[in-house]
Amino acid sequence: SQQGEEDPQALSIQEGENATMNCSYKTSINNLQWYRQNSGRGLVHLILIRSNEREKHSGRLRVTLDTSKKSSSLLITASRAADTASYFCATRKEAGTASKLTFGTGTRLQVTL
Amino acid sequence: NAGVTQTPKFQVLKTGQSMTLQCAQDMNHNSMYWYRQDPGMGLRLIYYSASEGTTDKGEVPNGYNVSRLNKREFSLRLESAAPSQTSVYFCASSALGTGGYYEQYFGPGTRLTVT
Repeated sequence: SQQGEEDPQALSIQEGENATMNCSYKTSINNLQWYRQNSGRGLVHLILIRSNEREKHSGRLRVTLDTSKKSSSLLITASRAADTASYFCATRKEAGTASKLTFGTGTRLQVTL
Repeated sequence: NAGVTQTPKFQVLKTGQSMTLQCAQDMNHNSMYWYRQDPGMGLRLIYYSASEGTTDKGEVPNGYNVSRLNKREFSLRLESAAPSQTSVYFCASSALGTGGYYEQYFGPGTRLTVT
């Protein structure tokens, strides 16, 4: 079964606005990662947050993690049309190369001009 | 570097036919993965290979077999295709990213339809 569920399933905003998407998961984790998928393409890694971190920034991306609530959020500030994509959270239970990632169901973001 | 490549990009099969999806990576990664993506389901892990010579089942392995041919190549075989296997299939490999944690690199996907 899916580890994570994302909310909302779909989000439509105007260029320049901020976009927030949330991810909830079920079991304890070592780290949580966010990926982006453009239509018809593979996933691209965006950012990783460790279980002992609460917030992380990368450019226009801000990720938070609340392990007590088993939830994470991804904020994209000053969105652009090029941010239109699906966004997935993925959790890893243990560190290590073969440790599996479990993906959420994704949020489809549409950024209009 | 081409990254992770997959062939074919599209495939239509009849029920009962067999086929092999090919995946190769040129980044010298040890671990490789096969996922399927269905609408509204996110990605689900079919099989993975922690290193050359090893393979393990993921969440949805039934109806599939895999071969880790060498460090570069990891193939997925459908022995007798069923309509329930209609999906988009992604191959991925993983490597140590900045900060000492592993992130995955994905291929462009194979869109498979079974009629």
